Amino acid sequence: GAVVSQHPSWVICKSGTSVKIECRSLDFQATTMFWYRQFPKQSLMLMATSNEGSKATYEQGVEKDKFLINHASLTLSTLTVTSAHPEDSSFYICSASPTSIYEQFFGPGTRLTVL
Amino acid sequence: AQKITQTQPGMFVQEKEAVTLDCTYDTSDPSYGLFWYKQPSSGEMIFLIYQGSYDQQNATEGRYSLNFQKARKSANLVISASQLGDSAMYFCAMSGVADSGGYQKVTFGIGTKLQVIP
Repeated sequence: GAVVSQHPSWVICKSGTSVKIECRSLDFQATTMFWYRQFPKQSLMLMATSNEGSKATYEQGVEKDKFLINHASLTLSTLTVTSAHPEDSSFYICSASPTSIYEQFFGPGTRLTVL
Repeated sequence: AQKITQTQPGMFVQEKEAVTLDCTYDTSDPSYGLFWYKQPSSGEMIFLIYQGSYDQQNATEGRYSLNFQKARKSANLVISASQLGDSAMYFCAMSGVADSGGYQKVTFGIGTKLQVIP
């Protein structure tokens, strides 16, 4: 149980285009979903926290208009990187929690490369 | 503000031996949680163990145990009987209330790369 999927696993796109990443909790309802970003050989940095049906809470320094987060249902959250640039290339990981912060289940991650 | 410090960029351990990965933390919250995650080269984050700040006993999960010393604000991970498959990045993390207030967040350390030698 407690499986979280992400789609796509990897994506290559041209600079200036938008990319959508999906995060799904497959066998539980996720009250809260989290989006992280991880640069090579670095730690996970929380980008935003989203609760179903409400606006996401973004961490300081994360551009809301660039990283659009939608948590439309209890099993799906999407992250859209708008007008992607090479510096947005990174590993994006989502996690989902059925109850509280103390129980986070991570997706396998999405590797984004912007040319 | 909550902060996690992992001072060992890399560690080597002989197969079948035990290894301790260090983690210290800082927070002003009385209630918090401490986690350890494993990240193999494939990238997925694998939950290993959790310790609540009010838990009296150290957490254990199979070969993993968390040496929780509250006064020293340390939460070291001990892996017993290391296996080749334990080679990975290990992240210490802490949950608590965000600086901006109102919601819980998890803060990760920079990680320790563990290599198990045959």
